[in-house]
Amino acid sequence: SQQGEEDPQALSIQEGENATMNCSYKTSINNLQWYRQNSGRGLVHLILIRSNEREKHSGRLRVTLDTSKKSSSLLITASRAADTASYFCATGSSGTYKYIFGTGTRLKVLA
Amino acid sequence: NAGVTQTPKFQVLKTGQSMTLQCAQDMNHNSMYWYRQDPGMGLRLIYYSASEGTTDKGEVPNGYNVSRLNKREFSLRLESAAPSQTSVYFCASSVLSTGGGTGELFFGEGSRLTVL
Repeated sequence: SQQGEEDPQALSIQEGENATMNCSYKTSINNLQWYRQNSGRGLVHLILIRSNEREKHSGRLRVTLDTSKKSSSLLITASRAADTASYFCATGSSGTYKYIFGTGTRLKVLA
Repeated sequence: NAGVTQTPKFQVLKTGQSMTLQCAQDMNHNSMYWYRQDPGMGLRLIYYSASEGTTDKGEVPNGYNVSRLNKREFSLRLESAAPSQTSVYFCASSVLSTGGGTGELFFGEGSRLTVL
């Protein structure tokens, strides 16, 4: 079974609103990463948060990590139509170089 | 700067045929990965190579073999293709992270394989 599970599976919001996606995982990790995938394209890295970090910011993105709950959240503020994409979390298990992806959240931002 | 290059981009096979997907990176990365993505699904790890000379199974290795030819190249082979292997295949590479594991994964644009 996949390491990361995202919630919700799909999200539809109006332009300017904030979008929050959650990721849960099962084992100890080195780090957790978030990726974006536009339809039919490869994945693009958004942000990496290490296991000893609790929060990280990059532009309009804010990621939190709670290792006690084995969960992470991605917040996109002031969303734009161009943010429409699928978003995936990926977890790197401690002691390995294996990266497992979750099932993804499909975000649709309506103009 | 090419990044991660996958070939071919599209391929149609008949059941039982074999083929090799090629992946090359020009970023001097240590780790390389092969994933498959089925419609509406996330990526599932097939095999990975933490460094040149090593390969390890991922979540769904059955029906596939890999070769880490050198630091730049990591190929994925389907010995006897089955319709269940119809998918989009992504190759990725990464450097090792100072905090353990690897850092950012860089992805190719994908290889779309259909097995009839």
